[in-house]
Amino acid sequence: QQQVKQSPQSLIVQKGGISIINCAYENTAFDYFPWYQQFPGKGPALLIAIRPDVSEKKEGRFTISFNKSAKQFSLHIMDSQPGDSATYFCAARITGTASKLTFGTGTRLQVTL
Amino acid sequence: DVKVTQSSRYLVKRTGEKVFLECVQDMDHENMFWYRQDPGLGLRLIYFSYDVKMKEKGDIPEGYSVSREKKERFSLILESASTNQTSMYLCASSLGTLSSYGYTFGSGTRLTVV
Repeated sequence: QQQVKQSPQSLIVQKGGISIINCAYENTAFDYFPWYQQFPGKGPALLIAIRPDVSEKKEGRFTISFNKSAKQFSLHIMDSQPGDSATYFCAARITGTASKLTFGTGTRLQVTL
Repeated sequence: DVKVTQSSRYLVKRTGEKVFLECVQDMDHENMFWYRQDPGLGLRLIYFSYDVKMKEKGDIPEGYSVSREKKERFSLILESASTNQTSMYLCASSLGTLSSYGYTFGSGTRLTVV
């Protein structure tokens, strides 16, 4: 079963626009929600992360919004740039043995000129 | 920077072969993971290890096994490769249970089984 649902599957945004990727989860035991960015030919890299006691976290042009009651969180990329074109994965973790991550299915973002 | 190195970038193997995928990390991380990445399915956990010689099944362990004899090395074994195991395999490591540093991934091994 898909414990973390991610949408959309793909996204095209013009340069300077806002990219928004959404994720929803079922398990209320999740306690850490990271986003990963993956460029072609590379492994995913940690982009930004949030804990459920915070509703928003901002790092540069990247912001996570977190809605605990709705069990949803989203990534906003402000002033999107062609260099942001990549695949983005949301994830969720339950603290415990190895604290393994459960990933969403990914969103391929293309930022056009 | 933590480095996670996967021994092969591309592999082509025949159906029925025993396949070894190797992963080495250089920052003394306790946890290591093997995921496979398929279009539309995201990253799915195959196996993970939280200590030397310790391993646990992930979500899709069937057809795979793992070995962790040393802290820095985590091997994924396909006992008898099948075409449905054609995929991108990603190794990752992380620093302990409560770390907020997340995973560090290798660059992946693209395995084709013919």
